This record gives sequence, structure tokens and C-alpha cells, in this order.
Amino acid sequence: EVQLVESGGGLVQPGRSLRLSCAASGFTFDDYAMYWVRQAPGKGLEWVAGISWNGGDIGYADSVKGRFTISRDNAKNSLYLQMNSLRVEDTALYYCTKGAGVSLALGWFDPWGQGTLVTVSS
Amino acid sequence: DIQMTQSPSSLSASVGDRVTITCQASHDISNHLNWYHQKPGKAPKLLIYDASNLETGVPSRFSGSGSGTDFTFTISSLQPEDIATYYCQQYDNLPTYTFGQGTKLEIK
Repeated sequence: EVQLVESGGGLVQPGRSLRLSCAASGFTFDDYAMYWVRQAPGKGLEWVAGISWNGGDIGYADSVKGRFTISRDNAKNSLYLQMNSLRVEDTALYYCTKGAGVSLALGWFDPWGQGTLVTVSS
Repeated sequence: DIQMTQSPSSLSASVGDRVTITCQASHDISNHLNWYHQKPGKAPKLLIYDASNLETGVPSRFSGSGSGTDFTFTISSLQPEDIATYYCQQYDNLPTYTFGQGTKLEIK
């Protein structure tokens, strides 16, 4: 069974940094692109970042470009999101989700983890 | 950027009803359109990919159609467990992806 388990969320002050992790199991991790999607409290889904199987292709939403960095460690079956210069509007539940193939071209997401909550507040 | 407009934003229907949700893209996205639902307190789940392909294990009462800019998601006979918020998502403008604003489906 595919499992995605996010961690690293918490309460952080504006301007500070946080690193999210996603531990993957139940599938061959380096056969798939991976993504982060977030959901602000009571709001809809917002794609944040995506990374191809080997990290060769990466994409970011305009709202996080230059502040967030997605990465992966295939040896550890893990996905990461380094979040710098955090803003109040980054407050959200952050989901890790698996792509449909090695590249970012097959752009559907399944399954999803349960999410890790990031709260940015002073 | 490609904008996705879903309608309606909320919907109330009875068990057994046929339910339809639409999603309109601001530009031609071919068939690069997916549908998810999110039950209360749960993570989203993929239902339909590439506009009309049913994800493995998803009940056949769910279907999708459309291409270009106009897409439709249909539940042929609404069941109580279908209560959720439904989202469309485009992936034509790689490497960025856009979700619709969601349709909250309730039982009447």
C-alpha cells in the first residue's frame, strides 16, 4: 500500500524558515515525480511545487518562487520542502502527493498524505 | 497563467439525483484536466484523469467529459458517501498546475 507521511509543520514567526519532509513507502519512489499542494484553513487547493524523478525538472507556484525549494532524496524515499521567508499567507495544511510518472508531464496527483499544518504567526 | 472556473460553488441534491459540475479553462488545455474530491477532514482523492479516464477503483457512477476549455463532471446517481468538495485541476501549462475553486456538494 502506498503511504505518504508528512512531518515538520508547526508554528513559526513571519520571516523565519521551516523544512517539511514526506516519507514515502509502498512504491518505487524514484519512478515517480512528487509534488507539494497546500490548503489554507477553509480554502481550496493550491499547487505549490513539483519535482521529477531525478530532480532534473522542478516547478514552483508564483506565490512561493524564490522562497521555497523542493528537493528529494531517492536513497531515503523522501521528499522535502524548504520554506524560507515565511509569510502569514503561507499558513496552510501542506500535502505531499505522488505523480503518475517519472516526469512532471503526467500531471495528476494520487495518492495524498494526510498533511502537515504550517502556521505562520507572530 | 491558466485560470480554472468551476460552477456551481455549492450544490444541494437528493440521493439518486444526477449531479453535474462544470469547469472552464481560460485557455485551451486539450484534455489535460483532472477531477478530485475531498471528504470532510480527509485528503483529496483522484477520481478522473485526462478529462474522462476513471481512476482505478473509483465507482463507475463518476464520469468526466470535455476538451479544450469546457469540461463536465457527472455523478449519475448521487450516494450519501459522495458528500465532499469537488475540484478540477489543469496540467496543460507545465510545470505549473491550477485547481478550480471547488464545488461543495451536500445532500438535500
